[in-house]
Amino acid sequence: AQSVTQLGSHVSVSEGALVLLRCNYSSSVPPYLFWYVQYPNQGLQLLLKYTSAATLVKGINGFEAEFKKSETSFHLTKPSAHMSDAAEYFCAVSGNTGNQFYFGTGTSLTVIP
Amino acid sequence: GAVVSQHPSRVICKSGTSVKIECRSLDFQATTMFWYRQFPKQSLMLMATSNEGSKATYEQGVEKDKFLINHASLTLSTLTVTSAHPEDSSFYICSLTSEAFFGQGTRLTVV
Repeated sequence: AQSVTQLGSHVSVSEGALVLLRCNYSSSVPPYLFWYVQYPNQGLQLLLKYTSAATLVKGINGFEAEFKKSETSFHLTKPSAHMSDAAEYFCAVSGNTGNQFYFGTGTSLTVIP
Repeated sequence: GAVVSQHPSRVICKSGTSVKIECRSLDFQATTMFWYRQFPKQSLMLMATSNEGSKATYEQGVEKDKFLINHASLTLSTLTVTSAHPEDSSFYICSLTSEAFFGQGTRLTVV
């Protein structure tokens, strides 16, 4: 069985501040982990993915995430928030690529000017 | 360019009518597609797995007779919401057998 838990349904940061969105996973098999961003009334855009290669994964738009097996975590970070980062972010887990995904409940990021 | 095309992006229908949502794979043949549903301010929930040439596999709690899925070709899967009710109003998203390819989503409003 696989699942993810996103801590904090709402996160607010000031423009230029560090963004940290938390995700913890549970998986009975080696997990593949993903972060997606969703803008209002749009589909999902893949930010980055972990597929058992490097534990520090760099994605688009300056985001990165670190896979920590000991903590079963895959937190998303960005050093400096931009107004355009305001969106909904979803963490997801899959048993392997090509399989269905199980999503977290999402974290709404607000960037304060 | 887009790999998955979902249509329509928005639809408003009357209670009791049926609505068809299309999900097209533009660049490759997809033997499997997935359909998700997202309620406002909630996460995506997998509804069903669409299998080309065979019956769809539905998740527990999803009514297969209400949400008809057809995957007649390797590039097209359709989701038909039959006898729609206001509680069916939601955001429906399809995906291909790959983590990066999601459709743009369809906002269904039943009035």
